[in-house]
Amino acid sequence: AQSVAQPEDQVNVAEGNPLTVKCTYSVSGNPYLFWYVQYPNRGLQFLLKYITGDNLVKGSYGFEAEFNKSQTSFHLKKPSALVSDSALYFCAVRDRQTGRRALTFGSGTRLQVQP
Amino acid sequence: DAGITQSPRHKVTETGTPVTLRCHQTENHRYMYWYRQDPGHGLRLIHYSYGVKDTDKGEVSDGYSVSRSKTEDFLLTLESATSSQTSVYFCAISDPDDGNQPQHFGDGTRLSIL
Repeated sequence: AQSVAQPEDQVNVAEGNPLTVKCTYSVSGNPYLFWYVQYPNRGLQFLLKYITGDNLVKGSYGFEAEFNKSQTSFHLKKPSALVSDSALYFCAVRDRQTGRRALTFGSGTRLQVQP
Repeated sequence: DAGITQSPRHKVTETGTPVTLRCHQTENHRYMYWYRQDPGHGLRLIHYSYGVKDTDKGEVSDGYSVSRSKTEDFLLTLESATSSQTSVYFCAISDPDDGNQPQHFGDGTRLSIL
C-alpha cells in the first residue's frame, strides 16, 4: 500500500521569507512523487514531479522540492514567498512497481503568506 | 489548462435521489479518474478508467458507479445519494501510458445532499 503524510495543516510565512511544506511518503517500491497546488474553487494544478535522477526538482512559479530517499521525504520549498503563493498544497505518490496509475494524496497543507 | 469540463459545477439534491456527474475531456487521454475531496482527507480515489468500457474501483467506491462509453466522457453515478456523499468531486485525466506523467484536474463539482 502507498500513503502520504503532510504533518502540518497550515504553514504561515512572511512575504519574502523562504517557505517549506513538508511531505513524507510510504511505498513498497520506488516512488513517483508529485506536488499540486489548489486555489479556491479550482481544481489541482501540477507544480512539479520527481521521477528519478537529481534529488532537487525544480517546478513552476519558482517552487522546488527535495527528494530524500533515506528519510522518505519530498519537501516543497521556495526561496522567497509571495502573497500570491497562499493556497492549499497537496503531495501525492505513486508506487512505480504497481500497474495502477492512480495517485495517493496527502491531506493537504494550507500555506498562508502574510504581507 | 487541460481541456476538462465537469458538469454540473454545483448541485443540491435530496437523500435517496440518483445523481450523475459528468466529466468531458478534449485531450484524447486514455486514463480518467474520479476523486472526492473532503476536509482532512485530501483527495481519495473513487473509480478510474483506463479505456472505453474499462474501469476499476478506487479506495472509496462503495455507493458509486461509473461508465465510459466514449474516450471523452466519464460519468460518475450515485444510485441513491446519502448525506455522507456530500463532497467536492474532481475528475482528472492522464496520458500517455508512462505512469510518471502528472494528472490534470477539472474544476470540480460541489455536491450537497440534504
